[in-house]
Amino acid sequence: AQTVTQSQPEMSVQEAETVTLSCTYDTSESDYYLFWYKQPPSRQMILVIRQEAYKQQNATENRFSVNFQKAAKSFSLKISDSQLGDAAMYFCAYRRFDMRFGAGTRLTVKP
Amino acid sequence: NAGVTQTPKFQVLKTGQSMTLQCAQDMNHNSMYWYRQDPGMGLRLIYYSASEGTTDKGEVPNGYNVSRLNKREFSLRLESAAPSQTSVYFCASSPVHYGYTFGSGTRLTVV
Repeated sequence: AQTVTQSQPEMSVQEAETVTLSCTYDTSESDYYLFWYKQPPSRQMILVIRQEAYKQQNATENRFSVNFQKAAKSFSLKISDSQLGDAAMYFCAYRRFDMRFGAGTRLTVKP
Repeated sequence: NAGVTQTPKFQVLKTGQSMTLQCAQDMNHNSMYWYRQDPGMGLRLIYYSASEGTTDKGEVPNGYNVSRLNKREFSLRLESAAPSQTSVYFCASSPVHYGYTFGSGTRLTVV
């Protein structure tokens, strides 16, 4: 079974600075998809960014970018110019057919 | 608004009571999912339905049943609720290989 590990239960960043959230996963497959989801206090799950494993180019979405290292099975999320609204739980997820999630990282943004 | 609609948003049950969580999507997705979210454990897959008429067990199916009523609707039933089923439940739908669209979640407390 595929597993997803987020080794940082909590992270903190100063407003306007950059923070990187870590994620590793375990799989024997070569074709799959990786995601980062944001869950603010409202509880809603919001898709932040998506990466196809067959693409070498790292995905970017405005201030959010990933560092995808397929051989190392690593998929970190970088948030640049952090804003107060970025404070949330962040979940890394792996998908081949159904989606499997890490335990999450709680991000605090300090003004 | 297009999306995934879950009802109810909150529920308190007594041990041994039964209930059904309802989920409907209007995006014409084939695949639908039920997850539970517990502190420190991320989201864990309970059941999924790859297409109308099919359902399969996920990681934590014990104590639950599901029905894929039609392409739009996918319900989750607790036949005899237990305190261990206290959790936040999410329904989701997606096309293949894309991210999920989640419902807003149901906070269930079993006393």
